[in-house]
Amino acid sequence: ETGVTQSPTHLIKTRGQQVTLRCSSQSGHNTVSWYQQALGQGPQFIFQYYREEENGRGNFPPRFSGLQFPNYSSELNVNALELDDSALYLCASSFGQTGNTIYFGEGSWLTVV
Amino acid sequence: GEDVEQSLFLSVREGDSSVINCTYTDSSSTYLYWYKQEPGAGLQLLTYIFSNMDMKQDQRLTVLLNKKDKHLSLRIADTQTGDSAIYFCAERDTGGFKTIFGAGTRLFVKA
Repeated sequence: ETGVTQSPTHLIKTRGQQVTLRCSSQSGHNTVSWYQQALGQGPQFIFQYYREEENGRGNFPPRFSGLQFPNYSSELNVNALELDDSALYLCASSFGQTGNTIYFGEGSWLTVV
Repeated sequence: GEDVEQSLFLSVREGDSSVINCTYTDSSSTYLYWYKQEPGAGLQLLTYIFSNMDMKQDQRLTVLLNKKDKHLSLRIADTQTGDSAIYFCAERDTGGFKTIFGAGTRLFVKA
C-alpha cells in the first residue's frame, strides 16, 4: 500500500463527454503528478502540481487539465473525450517539486466508447 | 529527446536469477527507478538509484548503473513465480518534474 488513493477505479464514457478523476496523495506529500498508461505501454507524464500550481507538463493537449487542493489532493479533468483517451490514469505523489521517491496509486481505468 | 528502452520479454525458471536491462538517453538524469506492475494494478516502486552511484543492493534486488553507457540493470536473485509481472525502468528528467518510463519488460517465471 502506497497511501495514494484514486477514484473511481473503473469508468466508461462516451466520446465527446467530460471526465473527472480524483487522487488523494500520501500523507505528508505535497506534489501530485498524473500519468496516462495506454494498453501495452509505459506511463506517459501528463502534468505535475506542486502547492496548488501546475509546474510541469508533458505533451498533452489543453483539454487535459487539473487542480490541486489545499490538502494536496488532486483532480484530472479531460474534456471532449476521444477514443484514444482510453487508458489507465495513474496518480503519483511525492514530497517537493523534485522529490526522488514517487509513489503511485492503483489507477483509474477509463474506457471511451 | 529523452527516451528509455527495454527488451519486451524475459523468461526464466523459478530459482534462477533474472536480469532486466534498460538504456536511457538523458545523461543528466538524477534518479533512475525500477517499478513493478502486476496485472490490473498500479506501479509498485521496487528500488531507485542516484546517478552518482554504481550499484545498489536491496535484499534479492541488485541495481547496476553504467553511466558512461547509460545502461541500467535490475537483477532479481532466486526468482519466484510471484515475481512474474511487468518491470518498468524509468528516469527522472533533468528538471526533476517528470519521470520517463520505458515500455516495460514482461517477466515470465516458469515453475
